[in-house]
Amino acid sequence: EVQLVESGGGVVRPGGSLRLSCAASGFKFDDYGMSWVRQAPGKGLEWVGGINWNGGRKDYADSVKGRFTISRDNAKNSLYLQMNSLRAEDTALYHCARGGAEGGIIVNWGQGTLVTVAS
Amino acid sequence: SYELTQPPSVSVSPGQTATITCTGDKLGGKYACWYQQKPGQSPVLVIYEDTKRPSGIPARFSGSNSGNTATLTISGTQAMDEADYYCQAWDSNILVFGGGTKLTVL
Repeated sequence: EVQLVESGGGVVRPGGSLRLSCAASGFKFDDYGMSWVRQAPGKGLEWVGGINWNGGRKDYADSVKGRFTISRDNAKNSLYLQMNSLRAEDTALYHCARGGAEGGIIVNWGQGTLVTVAS
Repeated sequence: SYELTQPPSVSVSPGQTATITCTGDKLGGKYACWYQQKPGQSPVLVIYEDTKRPSGIPARFSGSNSGNTATLTISGTQAMDEADYYCQAWDSNILVFGGGTKLTVL
């Protein structure tokens, strides 16, 4: 069974930083591109960015480019999202997803970790 | 930036056919997929590559994509199909979601 378990969410002040992690299991992690998708409270889905299987290609939404960085550690079956210069509008539930990189479909979603940016 | 437009809401009676549209410039030249999201749950893929159903998705879900419009059709809609539905496509290495459509079965 595929499992994606996010962690690292919390409350942070505007301008602050946070690092999210995603532990993957149930599939061969380094066979897949991975991505982060967020959902603000009561709002729709927004793709944050994706990373290919070996980390050699990363793409980002314009809204986070230059502030957020996606990385992965295939030896640890883990995906990361480093978020800097956080803004109130970054407040959302952040989902880790299998797929969603290099044109691929999102096959599985984690339950998400909540990030709240507030003073 | 590329945009996908969906109607905010669609209503359907049980047993009838629900149709949810998604429009974008030359969308028919790209692959569209659809996700279902029920309250408090993560999204689930219901249609990919315009018309294909993942394993475990009922046959009452179908999709099409032509011109500027992709369409999700739910035949014989059931109460359990009440959910938010999101279309999605890729444009210039950016994954784009539609704004979502709330399907009400009443």
